[in-house]
Amino acid sequence: SQKIEQNSEALNIQEGKTATLTCNYTNYSPAYLQWYRQDPGRGPVFLLLIRENEKEKRKERLKVTFDTTLKQSLFHITASQPADSATYLCAPLVYSGNTPLVFGKGTRLSVIA
Amino acid sequence: NAGVTQTPKFQVLKTGQSMTLQCAQDMNHNSMYWYRQDPGMGLRLIYYSASEGTTDKGEVPNGYNVSRLNKREFSLRLESAAPSQTSVYFCASSEGRQRGYNEQFFGPGTRLTVL
Repeated sequence: SQKIEQNSEALNIQEGKTATLTCNYTNYSPAYLQWYRQDPGRGPVFLLLIRENEKEKRKERLKVTFDTTLKQSLFHITASQPADSATYLCAPLVYSGNTPLVFGKGTRLSVIA
Repeated sequence: NAGVTQTPKFQVLKTGQSMTLQCAQDMNHNSMYWYRQDPGMGLRLIYYSASEGTTDKGEVPNGYNVSRLNKREFSLRLESAAPSQTSVYFCASSEGRQRGYNEQFFGPGTRLTVL
């Protein structure tokens, strides 16, 4: 069955450093991979989508990479701030067929001032 | 635009009671989804509707029914609530018919407790 693993449940990082979150998937050949942010008590909010033919995508301080050989996506937040503290979810998506959407369990990031 | 709205925000039920969770979106999206989120389990898809008039089962459909009332509204019904259905329920929508291709917009969630 399809499986997604996000590297850790929680990650603590000092303000100003780069946070790196990992998303590994198995039994998948995703055409796309999305990343979401979720704050406590709220619904997830879309951040970035990267396609299988894109190695890297950037948006302001965010950078996502997609390595289809390693079956892995890395999500980076540079110059991290306390306001970046949240849970981050990855969702590798199959382009077609009846495969259900599958989200990772998320990594809770805490940026310490 | 309100985006995706859900009612109620909180609900407490007794085992065996029924209820319907309501969801509406004002973005003219074709696809709508219902998820549940439990500690340590992540988001799991219950049902989805790729377009008005169609619904399909997701990963955890047992104990639930859905209705795509029109393009705007997608409801989730628990016919006989069980404690295992205690969870936070999220509704989401996306523009495309292709499941998952487009970004999803989530509602604020309904926190349901079944005693």
